[in-house]
Amino acid sequence: SQKIEQNSEALNIQEGKTATLTCNYTNYSPAYLQWYRQDPGRGPVFLLLIRENEKEKRKERLKVTFDTTLKQSLFHITASQPADSATYLCALESNDYKLSFGAGTTVTVRA
Amino acid sequence: GAVVSQHPSWVICKSGTSVKIECRSLDFQATTMFWYRQFPKQSLMLMATSNEGSKATYEQGVEKDKFLINHASLTLSTLTVTSAHPEDSSFYICSATNRVGEQFFGPGTRLTVL
Repeated sequence: SQKIEQNSEALNIQEGKTATLTCNYTNYSPAYLQWYRQDPGRGPVFLLLIRENEKEKRKERLKVTFDTTLKQSLFHITASQPADSATYLCALESNDYKLSFGAGTTVTVRA
Repeated sequence: GAVVSQHPSWVICKSGTSVKIECRSLDFQATTMFWYRQFPKQSLMLMATSNEGSKATYEQGVEKDKFLINHASLTLSTLTVTSAHPEDSSFYICSATNRVGEQFFGPGTRLTVL
């Protein structure tokens, strides 16, 4: 069966450190892998998209890697700030634009 | 940037009543809209795909007669939860896709059925 697993439900880190989140999937062949941020009681906000033929993508303090052999994506938040505290979701996109989401990892950055 | 709105943002209703949730793309035409449901501490689960002018496509296990979807225009899709029961209480989120396939999410609607 298809499965998307994000490494842990919660991650607590000190301000200034790098947060690393993992997304593993099985029985999918995604066209794209996306990362979203979700704050409590709000809809997801798009952060980054990486294609199956891309290894790495960066946007400001965010970095995403994608290994289709390992079926894994890593999401890094560098120089973390308390404002980065949120739940981060990975999502796999199929060719018909449908998204399948992981359960998310809640990141808390301590000042 | 592209904005998707939902109305209402929250609703409380009695068991057995029907509730309509609107999803609007404010500054672009959405070729496709999606409806998701999210229970606490769980992932978003796709319920259905809504295309303007055609019938919605429902995911396995989602009752089409329970969750009525109407995509009347390129900027509006509605989800009606019919004869709502407490187990329908959830966070309902829509998304809209533009012509180049970018997907934008609404802020969500919290439904509580008493």
